Amino acid sequence: GIQVEQSPPDLILQEGANSTLRCNFSDSVNNLQWFHQNPWGQLINLFYIPSGTKQNGRLSATTVATERYSLLYISSSQTTDSGVYFCAVEPVDAGGTSYGKLTFGQGTILTVHP
Amino acid sequence: GAGVSQSPRYKVAKRGQDVALRCDPISGHVSLFWYQQALGQGPEFLTYFQNEAQLDKSGLPSDRFFAERPEGSVSTLKIQRTQQEDSAVYLCASSEPDRGTDEQYFGPGTRLTVT
Repeated sequence: GIQVEQSPPDLILQEGANSTLRCNFSDSVNNLQWFHQNPWGQLINLFYIPSGTKQNGRLSATTVATERYSLLYISSSQTTDSGVYFCAVEPVDAGGTSYGKLTFGQGTILTVHP
Repeated sequence: GAGVSQSPRYKVAKRGQDVALRCDPISGHVSLFWYQQALGQGPEFLTYFQNEAQLDKSGLPSDRFFAERPEGSVSTLKIQRTQQEDSAVYLCASSEPDRGTDEQYFGPGTRLTVT
């Protein structure tokens, strides 16, 4: 099956710093989502971004589908940004269809200190 | 509108007991997914429904796991004769692909502990 690798596995920042999280995937995808899992375990949707670039406040994301990677940028980090960031992809089969299920990476654990 | 809801939020079961976990998807969402998240890991796919039809159950780890969605809305994940390795957070997600996007939205999860 498809492989999803996230880097770095852990990231420690001081409040106000910027960061870039990376997601590499091994096959073509129909869907790519970035999530933030807060300390209570809730997965919060950040971006639905199978290709292109999107921005939402201090966060932005870019997916280059042809090169099979996506980047999540966090600017001016805040303590509330702490948690685990997951990239998840929906693989496409050889016939071009997809089946809906997401394959997740192992996540990046972000800790932002005040 | 309301998001995906799940109940109970926490469940403690003795080994060998049966448990039932409930998911209420976002109203009108035809696609419903169950995932299992072990401690320190990313969620892993269990099963997928389109309306009441279970189209993919390839991720269910054993025949002790059973899921249903009889009326195409609420879904129940049942685990029979629970084992300690079943301890995990069970997440439900829904999506509405007919709107041109299959973005999935997740519930808060049910944390199952088998003692």
